[in-house]
Formats: sequence, C-alpha cells, structure tokens
Amino acid sequence: KQEVTQIPAALSVPEGENLVLNCSFTDSAIYNLQWFRQDPGKGLTSLLLIQSSQREQTSGRLNASLDKSSGRSTLYIAASQPGDSATYLCAPGDDKIIFGKGTRLHILP
Amino acid sequence: NAGVTQTPKFQVLKTGQSMTLQCAQDMNHEYMSWYRQDPGMGLRLIHYSVGAGITDQGEVPNGYNVSRSTTEDFPLRLLSAAPSQTSVYFCASSYSGTFNYGYTFGSGTRLTVV
Repeated sequence: KQEVTQIPAALSVPEGENLVLNCSFTDSAIYNLQWFRQDPGKGLTSLLLIQSSQREQTSGRLNASLDKSSGRSTLYIAASQPGDSATYLCAPGDDKIIFGKGTRLHILP
Repeated sequence: NAGVTQTPKFQVLKTGQSMTLQCAQDMNHEYMSWYRQDPGMGLRLIHYSVGAGITDQGEVPNGYNVSRSTTEDFPLRLLSAAPSQTSVYFCASSYSGTFNYGYTFGSGTRLTVV
C-alpha cells in the first residue's frame, strides 16, 4: 500500500527566498510522480510530471527531482513570490495516484 | 477540448437519499479516478478504472459504487447518503503506459449531506 508523506506540513518564508518541499513514498514500483498545486477552495493544477527515466523536470522557477531507490522527491521553488502561496501536493503512481497531505506554503510580501 | 467535466458543481442531499456524481472526459484517457477531499485528510482515492469495463477499489470505497461502460464516462454513485460523505469530490483522468503525461483533474463537486 502506497503511503505518501510531505514535509513540512506548513511553511512561511519571505518573498524572494528559494525553498525545498519534500515528499517521501513507500512503494517505489512506480513510473511517474506528479506535483500539483491547489489554491484554497479550488481544484488541482498540475505543475510537473517526472517519469522514472527522467529523474528531474523543470518548469520556469520550479524544479522537481525523483529518487525512486530512496522513495523521495523534492520540489524546488526559486525566487519565491506571493503568488506561489498555495498547497503543494505530491502524487506518485501510474494507473492510480495516491496523495500526501500536502505542504501549505505562505510567501510573505 | 473540455478536459474533465464534473456535474453538478454543488449538491445538497438529505440523509438516505441516493445520487450520481457525473464525470466525463473527452481526451480518450484510459485511466480515471475518483477522490474525496476533507479538511485535514487530504485527497483520498475512492475508486479507479484502468479502462472501460474495469474498476477497482481505492482507499475509501465504502458507500460508493462505480461503473465504466464507456471510455469517456465514470459516474460515482452514492446509494444511501450519510453526513460522513459530506466532502468535495474530484474526478481525474490520464493516458496509460508510456503515454501517461500525468493526471488532469475536474473542478470538483461540493456535496453536503444533511
């Protein structure tokens, strides 16, 4: 059974800082891991998909890495902005994806 | 492309009533899933399907039924609604195998059971 843990549960940082969100998972027999963003009261927006053959993906100020052997993924956000404030969700899986409880990020202006 | 369409967006039910949450996608995705999201519990998988005619249980399947008669549609049925089923429900879909470019989510259905 896949279990996903995200650390920290909440994070507040001043604008402009670089930050790292962590995700660990128990079942490494996956091909994909997806990072999502969710704003309060809204749906999920896909940020990045990492396939195990790629190990890393970048989109703008976001960079996600995947280490299947250790069951870990990280989401790196560079030069954070107040608009980055949201909950970030990690979801490993293929035919189905299982979510962690997320990291609530607050960027202070 | 409409993507993943969920209807209705809001619903209030009385305890014991039945209803079906609709989910449709126009991307010819093989994989489809239903989730519920509750404060402090995150998103939990209810049921999922890897193709027409094939469904399986997720983490919290009790009280819910699904069927997948077509590739496009994956309805979620509540047979006898309970207050514990008050939640926000999300449907998602994806291609399978090497064409899996990640999941696309619908905008959600907010269900209140009184």
